[in-house]
Amino acid sequence: QVQLQESGPGLVKPSQTLSLSCTVSGGSISSGNYYWNWIRQPAGKGLEWIGRIYTSGSTNYNPSLKSRVTISVDTSKNQFSLKLTSVTAADTAMYYCAREVVTAINWFDPWGQGTLVTVSS
Amino acid sequence: SSELTQDPAVSVALGQTVRITCQGDSLRSYYASWYQQKPGQAPVLLIYGNNNRPSGIPDRFSGSSSGNTSSLTITGPQAEDEADYYCNSRDSSGNHWMFGGGTKLTVL
Repeated sequence: QVQLQESGPGLVKPSQTLSLSCTVSGGSISSGNYYWNWIRQPAGKGLEWIGRIYTSGSTNYNPSLKSRVTISVDTSKNQFSLKLTSVTAADTAMYYCAREVVTAINWFDPWGQGTLVTVSS
Repeated sequence: SSELTQDPAVSVALGQTVRITCQGDSLRSYYASWYQQKPGQAPVLLIYGNNNRPSGIPDRFSGSSSGNTSSLTITGPQAEDEADYYCNSRDSSGNHWMFGGGTKLTVL
């Protein structure tokens, strides 16, 4: 059974770059027909899709974040990563990684447990 | 417009039936999925492709879609179903995802 686990610094200073990784266990990140996604949730608020990467390396990003986001994959580590530049307090949130199953329908399953990132000096 | 609209909060008496709705123009073209999130936990897939239930999800949860509205119905909700529920679908481009604002369900 595939499991996802986020990791990275819990505190990032304003204007710096937020960097997170998501480790996939129980299966290979490069096998199957999947996108690998990042989704975030500020405390007490709703979910916001950040972007995704396909096993081939192609990416799609939320237009509202596109200028600051890079998602990459490291198949040797069975990980994919998120970089978000020029962060502000508005980027403080729980960050989740999730696998997107690619069929005619698509859906997110499973999700990681999430990692809290606070932007503060 | 590229957004999904949900009622912020809904309440239901124990054992009754509740419908949580999600409205958006993109739902005319794309499937919706539904996720349940309990406090302090990650979201969990409840329904995909408008009306498909993953294994392990109780059959009291069902989904439907008509026009620009997708619905999640809970038939005979239990106390443990008190949670936030999010709909999800593609935006008008088809290459990006979006979530509804979420509905907080209270089971009375």
